[in-house]
Amino acid sequence: SQQGEEDPQALSIQEGENATMNCSYKTSINNLQWYRQNSGRGLVHLILIRSNEREKHSGRLRVTLDTSKKSSSLLITASRAADTASYFCATESNDYKLSFGAGTTVTVRA
Amino acid sequence: DSGVTQTPKHLITATGQRVTLRCSPRSGDLSVYWYQQSLDQGLQFLIQYYNGEERAKGNILERFSAQQFPDLHSELNLSSLELGDSALYFCASSSHPLSGGTTDTQYFGPGTRLTVL
Repeated sequence: SQQGEEDPQALSIQEGENATMNCSYKTSINNLQWYRQNSGRGLVHLILIRSNEREKHSGRLRVTLDTSKKSSSLLITASRAADTASYFCATESNDYKLSFGAGTTVTVRA
Repeated sequence: DSGVTQTPKHLITATGQRVTLRCSPRSGDLSVYWYQQSLDQGLQFLIQYYNGEERAKGNILERFSAQQFPDLHSELNLSSLELGDSALYFCASSSHPLSGGTTDTQYFGPGTRLTVL
């Protein structure tokens, strides 16, 4: 079963714009991670935010976590064509298992 | 390149058959995870091994089994295959569970695409 749910399912933006996607989850977590997947390929780990952290940055990525609302957001700033991919949030629960959401498909138009 | 290798890249087989998928983790990583990605179920955690021992089990069918060998490579065995088993199977590895209970970053392999006809 999937614990995380991403919103929106799909997003189309112009190059240079920002892309924001959200993830909601149901049970308590150790950490929340964001991954990127290019079509039919392996997942690439982007960023991990622990349950006691509220915000984290990595390059053009900004992740927030609100454990009271059980939600997280991923912001990609100044998007590029190479950012076109599916983005998944994954929550690690207390039994160390990772549960992935259904993903947000991002298309960056040149 | 994540450093995790998976073979074969593609596998086409018939219903009722048995296949073995192989994974080599990143050098030094002790944990191996198996995931199944299909259009209808999304990405599902199947099973985790840590240094040769089964550590966590997810939505793995009884027809599926896995093991991790002393050299830390892992194999996922799928038997009595059904059409619905067609999917991408990913292996991931991580170094070790950090103290305090949180896991390390998982690095994913390129996957094996299984097609059951």
